[in-house]
Amino acid sequence: GIQVEQSPPDLILQEGANSTLRCNFSDSVNNLQWFHQNPWGQLINLFYIPSGTKQNGRLSATTVATERYSLLYISSSQTTDSGVYFCALNTGFQKLVFGTGTRLLVSP
Amino acid sequence: DSGVTQTPKHLITATGQRVTLRCSPRSGDLSVYWYQQSLDQGLQFLIQYYNGEERAKGNILERFSAQQFPDLHSELNLSSLELGDSALYFCASSRSGANVLTFGAGSRLTVL
Repeated sequence: GIQVEQSPPDLILQEGANSTLRCNFSDSVNNLQWFHQNPWGQLINLFYIPSGTKQNGRLSATTVATERYSLLYISSSQTTDSGVYFCALNTGFQKLVFGTGTRLLVSP
Repeated sequence: DSGVTQTPKHLITATGQRVTLRCSPRSGDLSVYWYQQSLDQGLQFLIQYYNGEERAKGNILERFSAQQFPDLHSELNLSSLELGDSALYFCASSRSGANVLTFGAGSRLTVL
């Protein structure tokens, strides 16, 4: 089956720092989504990004489908950015295969 | 608030019991998906319904079943519960032809 690997598994940042999270996948992508799971467990859509680059405020994402990876950039991190970041691939009928996640802790 | 409503938020029960989790999709969304998040398996797709019919099946145990009703709400039934069924169960919904899933807040099940 499709393999989705995320790195790093854990990341600790000081408030204000920038970071890059990576998602590698083993198969061609129909679409790819990035999610943030906050400390209360809520899964929040960040980006739908099968290819190219998108930006939303301090967050941006880039997917290079031909090389089977996606990157999530967080700039000027804030404590509210803490949580787990997942990438997920759509394998058909919106059946998402999730990566193992990157756990981010932003300290004040 | 994502617009996807899940109840109950928390549920504690004993091994061998049966529980029902409920999901109301966003207004206008015809598809409902169930996902399980456990410590050892991560986030896994269980099952999808589209306008009342089963569309896709994932790693759903035979002890689990689901359905989508005419008003489009969905229920996930978990029976003969085991300790390993303790997890966060998410419901998500999407519009027809849409590529983005919107998730509810989840139902946290603890089996003692």
